Amino acid sequence: GQQVMQIPQYQHVQEGEDFTTYCNSSTTLSNIQWYKQRPGGHPVFLIQLVKSGEVKKQKRLTFQFGEAKKNSSLHITATQTTDVGTYFCAGPFATRANNLFFGTGTRLTVIP
Amino acid sequence: DAMVIQNPRYQVTQFGKPVTLSCSQTLNHNVMYWYQQKSSQAPKLLFHYYDKDFNNEADTPDNFQSRRPNTSFCFLDIRSPGLGDAAMYLCATSRGKVEKLFFGSGTQLSVL
Repeated sequence: GQQVMQIPQYQHVQEGEDFTTYCNSSTTLSNIQWYKQRPGGHPVFLIQLVKSGEVKKQKRLTFQFGEAKKNSSLHITATQTTDVGTYFCAGPFATRANNLFFGTGTRLTVIP
Repeated sequence: DAMVIQNPRYQVTQFGKPVTLSCSQTLNHNVMYWYQQKSSQAPKLLFHYYDKDFNNEADTPDNFQSRRPNTSFCFLDIRSPGLGDAAMYLCATSRGKVEKLFFGSGTQLSVL
């Protein structure tokens, strides 16, 4: 079936190191959204990418949407302890455009 | 502040005893969603309302029902909770279909 996978599942980094999570869909996505969920919290919207090959930046965070609109990445430069949490990509499949499906998530731990 | 409110934050029920979770929003959004999130997993879409139009996911058990009496409120009814239904239940809203989601703080359901 249609699914959205993220790698890695877990990542431990030293504070100040960079971090990247990759999102791969089995089918084309209409758009891609990224959410952050702090431990014990709820998902919070970070950004949405719509165009093929789109790149957006938010301070230390860089988001990319693949040319084929089937993959995406989130890169954090110089991680801080406030970056701790699980990062989810989410997107509507082009064939089921009304529903938003979440990726499997990457849990980031930052060691001070 | 406009927001999505879920009550209660924690709910304990007995095996087989019906339970209702509630969600309200002050954002005046058209779409309301219910997601189920188990520990260390991604949120899983159960169903959503676009205005009064109800949309059920194919793999959502019949045990789960939903009501949306007006724009502001949405309820999740679990008719006969099983041990496998213990999870965090997240309500979310969006202005339109597959636009960014605003989540409530969730209700953590325990089944004894």
